[in-house]
Amino acid sequence: EAGVAQSPRYKIIEKRQSVAFWCNPISGHATLYWYQQILGQGPKLLIQFQNNGVVDDSQLPKDRFSAERLKGVDSTLKIQPAKLEDSAVYLCASSYTGTVTYEQYFGPGTRLTVT
Amino acid sequence: KQEVTQIPAALSVPEGENLVLNCSFTDSAIYNLQWFRQDPGKGLTSLLLIQSSQREQTSGRLNASLDKSSGRSTLYIAASQPGDSATYLCAVFSGGYQKVTFGTGTKLQVIP
Repeated sequence: EAGVAQSPRYKIIEKRQSVAFWCNPISGHATLYWYQQILGQGPKLLIQFQNNGVVDDSQLPKDRFSAERLKGVDSTLKIQPAKLEDSAVYLCASSYTGTVTYEQYFGPGTRLTVT
Repeated sequence: KQEVTQIPAALSVPEGENLVLNCSFTDSAIYNLQWFRQDPGKGLTSLLLIQSSQREQTSGRLNASLDKSSGRSTLYIAASQPGDSATYLCAVFSGGYQKVTFGTGTKLQVIP
């Protein structure tokens, strides 16, 4: 079974530029999550999708961050314009909601450096 | 609002020692708790998931326990090995759509 795929793996941009990350979840997983992990901290949930719909985006800085999940499969997370404090690893995870567990499976992450 | 704390933040032990990592959460109305391992520069690898109705789960040298009433989970690692060196994170599922809240992690170093 293929795991969660993310690209790119690394990205360096200057502040005020824009950037986009892509995630392909495990086949059949209805729930998709985007997390931001700043060095030395645990992951912070940015947005959670159930199929195409957003079920939680309470911690997403909506003035600069946006995310979409078309056709309930792939997802993109965009930052525009980027700030220095956006430097972090962006993790995508998915889970199968046919059970009660919502067990999460993570991709390798995208390391973003904003200079 | 759910808050998750992991103590200690860092731990260094000699190879072969048994050790316990702690995870505390403030809202005991949880669905599940999941333990992860994170190697430097890598994503998270799931170790164990405990459902709220369970007391513990075991996988190889790992044993995770859950005490919902006291808001605690422990991850027990038996006969530690240098390959166990990593950051260990716990994640709590609570609230609508089982929102996930992570702890800040415990960085473990096992010295040969």
